[in-house]
Order: sequence, then structure tokens, then C-alpha cells
Amino acid sequence: AQTVTQSQPEMSVQEAETVTLSCTYDTSENNYYLFWYKQPPSRQMILVIRQEAYKQQNATENRFSVNFQKAAKSFSLKISDSQLGDTAMYFCAFMKRPSNTGKLIFGQGTTLQVKP
Amino acid sequence: DVKVTQSSRYLVKRTGEKVFLECVQDMDHENMFWYRQDPGLGLRLIYFSYDVKMKEKGDIPEGYSVSREKKERFSLILESASTNQTSMYLCASSLFWTARTNEKLFFGSGTQLSVL
Repeated sequence: AQTVTQSQPEMSVQEAETVTLSCTYDTSENNYYLFWYKQPPSRQMILVIRQEAYKQQNATENRFSVNFQKAAKSFSLKISDSQLGDTAMYFCAFMKRPSNTGKLIFGQGTTLQVKP
Repeated sequence: DVKVTQSSRYLVKRTGEKVFLECVQDMDHENMFWYRQDPGLGLRLIYFSYDVKMKEKGDIPEGYSVSREKKERFSLILESASTNQTSMYLCASSLFWTARTNEKLFFGSGTQLSVL
């Protein structure tokens, strides 16, 4: 069975600075997706970034980038130039591939507070 | 714009009551999911459905059942609500996944259920 672990329940960062959220996972699969989802106070889950395990290049989306270390089973999220709107709970998630069901396994979540 | 709608944002019920949580999506998605979100535990899958009248148990199905009579609607049922079912419930949907697609999950805004 797969597990996803986020060991930082809460973090804070000053506006405009950079912050890194950690995620580790355990799986015997070789082919899978990893995701970071954001849940702001509105509770609407938003996909931040996606990484395919067979791709060595780290995914980036504007100010968001990941450090994917497949051998170490580590998948951290870096937020550059933090903005107040980045305040949210962030979830790391795993999905086996191929998947007919799209089932996601989530970590415990990290609450990020961006301070002005 | 794509939409997953959960019928209630907040719900208060009494122990022993039968509770229905409704979820509707307008994207013609095959897959639908019910997750439960608890502090420190992240999101855990209760049930999912990959077609009308089809369902599969997730990681924590005990105390819950589901119904999917129409493609767009997926209901979560608490046959006899208990206080340990007080939680945030999130519905999600996605297209049928294949090795070639990478569609994401679309989430509703959640129902915060309190069982007194």
C-alpha cells in the first residue's frame, strides 16, 4: 500500500520570501503521478502542480516548483516570492499510473501562513 | 466553467439520524469520489464510483454507504450518524483515466458535518 507523509503541520513565511514544503511517500510502484493541491479558506481544492515519475525534470508552474527525488521518495514544493493569497493548506498526493479510477492518496497537509 | 456542487456547506445532525450528503457534477465525468478530511489525517477516501450503479470501497467505508443512480449525482449516506463522523466531507469527480490522459480531479467546496 502507498503512503504519503507531510511532517510539517504548520509553516509560516514572510511575504516575498521563499518557502519549501516537504513530502515523502512510500510505494513499490515505478510509474505514478505526484501532486500538490492547495486548499484556501474557501475550501476549494486547487491543483498547484503535477509531476510524472518517469520524468526526471522537475515540474514548474510560475512561482511554484518541485524537487522530485525518486530514489529518496521525496517530493517537496517550493513557493517563490510568496504572496498573501498563498495562505492555505497544502496537500501532497500520490496516484498510481496507469489508473482507471484516478484514486488519490493524500498526505496529512501543511498549513502555510504568509505574513505581510 | 466546470463545477462540482455539494448541496450543503454546513450541516448539523443528531446521533442516530440518517444523513444524506449530495454531490452533483456538470462535466459528464465517469468517476466520482467521497473523501473525508480531518485535521492531522489529511483526506481519506470513503467510496468511489466509476460508473452509474457501480461503487467501490475506499480506505474507510465503515459506517457509510453510497448511491449513484445517475451519472451526475453521487450521494454519501450515513445510515446512523455518530459523533465520530463529525468531519469535513469533500466530493470530487474526474474523467475515466487511461495511461494517455492526465486529467485532474475536480473538487466541491466541502460539507462540514457536525453530529451532536
